[in-house]
Amino acid sequence: QVQLVESGGGVVQRGGSLRLSCAASGFTFGSYGMHWVRQAPGKGLEWVAFIRYDAGNRYYADSVRGRFTISRDTSRNTLYLQMNSLRPEDTAVYYCARNSWFSDYYYMDVWGKGTTVTVSS
Amino acid sequence: SYELTQPPSVSVSPGQTARITCFGDALPKQYADWYQQKPGQAPVMLIYRDRERPSGIPERFSGSSSGTTITLTISGVQAEDEADYYCQSADSSGTWVFGGGTKLTVL
Repeated sequence: QVQLVESGGGVVQRGGSLRLSCAASGFTFGSYGMHWVRQAPGKGLEWVAFIRYDAGNRYYADSVRGRFTISRDTSRNTLYLQMNSLRPEDTAVYYCARNSWFSDYYYMDVWGKGTTVTVSS
Repeated sequence: SYELTQPPSVSVSPGQTARITCFGDALPKQYADWYQQKPGQAPVMLIYRDRERPSGIPERFSGSSSGTTITLTISGVQAEDEADYYCQSADSSGTWVFGGGTKLTVL
């Protein structure tokens, strides 16, 4: 079945770095764009980054642009999020989500269970 | 910047109809989606492209749009529908936005 499994979360100090991974299975990973979405404790969902199916385009939220980098390795069916210069406000559960399509419309149809990142001050 | 506004909470008795709204200036030009999130779980897609329902989602969930507002309607609300609900849309410049979320309480 279609599955996304995040890993790589943990506790890191302010200014530190972390790389998250999202392992995809059950579908042709190389045919889909992918997102990272996060949720701070007790807060709502916040879109973080998107990468096109062929890595040709990447987009970032203003809050992470210049600090985070989204990438993918199709040979490993894996999505990544390199997070540098981490701040306490980056503390959140990070989800990866598949970008599916209907006609000419794209939407996040499958989500992983998330991995938790805690940035201590 | 692109914003979507939802009411923080909606309450409804079992069997009644719940309506959750989402307001955004760009919604007349952009489609939107709805997600359900239960405590400690990942979001689940309920509605995409304003009114399309993925397979496996119960028919009591439906979506509609009118001008700057989209609406998620839950007919015959059940206790298991108690959750947070988020609207989401994207602008043409490669930015995806979520509404602040609405907590549905089943009385």
